[in-house]
Amino acid sequence: EIVMTQSPATLSVSPGERATLSCRASQSVSHNLAWYQQKAGQAPRLLIYGASTRATGIPARFSGSGSGTEFTLTISSLQSEDFAVYYCQQYNNWYTFGQGTRLEIK
Amino acid sequence: QVQLQESGPGLVKPSQTLSLTCTVSGGSISSGAYYWSWIRQYPGKGLEWVGHIYYSGSTYYNPSTYYNPSLQSRLSISGDTSRNQLSLSLSSVTAADTAVYYCARGRLLERRFPSPLYYFDYWGQGTLVTVS
Repeated sequence: EIVMTQSPATLSVSPGERATLSCRASQSVSHNLAWYQQKAGQAPRLLIYGASTRATGIPARFSGSGSGTEFTLTISSLQSEDFAVYYCQQYNNWYTFGQGTRLEIK
Repeated sequence: QVQLQESGPGLVKPSQTLSLTCTVSGGSISSGAYYWSWIRQYPGKGLEWVGHIYYSGSTYYNPSTYYNPSLQSRLSISGDTSRNQLSLSLSSVTAADTAVYYCARGRLLERRFPSPLYYFDYWGQGTLVTVS
């Protein structure tokens, strides 16, 4: 099983600033990685697939990068609605998720 | 707009069988472009893929399924194309099966064997199942 490790567990950032979230795979997943946002009491929402392609309706301030084992989700200028938990997920070899990064207001 | 809605009992006794249904609207489960998965989220927030079902033109009456190996001996996923529903049945449950259960649509990129490439583009709202 491919293990996905996200860092940090919690990230404190001020509104308007940039947030950078990391995700590492225990073995190469090529570009077969997605990012999801989850708010309290809601289902995860697809943000990014193919490591860097924004899903329909996702604002341009969200961007993804990386390949192989190292991936990054960047939110360029945080809005109030962006404070949530973010998960990465690989789909190269079955489907496994990271443990999540909680993005909180500083 | 695609919508998925899970339903089923919120409380199941240990050793019994957990049964859930997911009703899909805005798209057909028998479309060959999608896999239909169950995913669960533990109280500590970890997410685990449970299994999927897939219909294609050649497997309309015999859909393919695949289960997480850790659950394979207890799990069954089926579909009802006339009602556009998928179902999950998990037997011999314990407290470790307590979780929010989601159904999700997998947008297919490549039908690679044995692990097809797809990501989850639509999710149901989830249903909490407590085993106690």
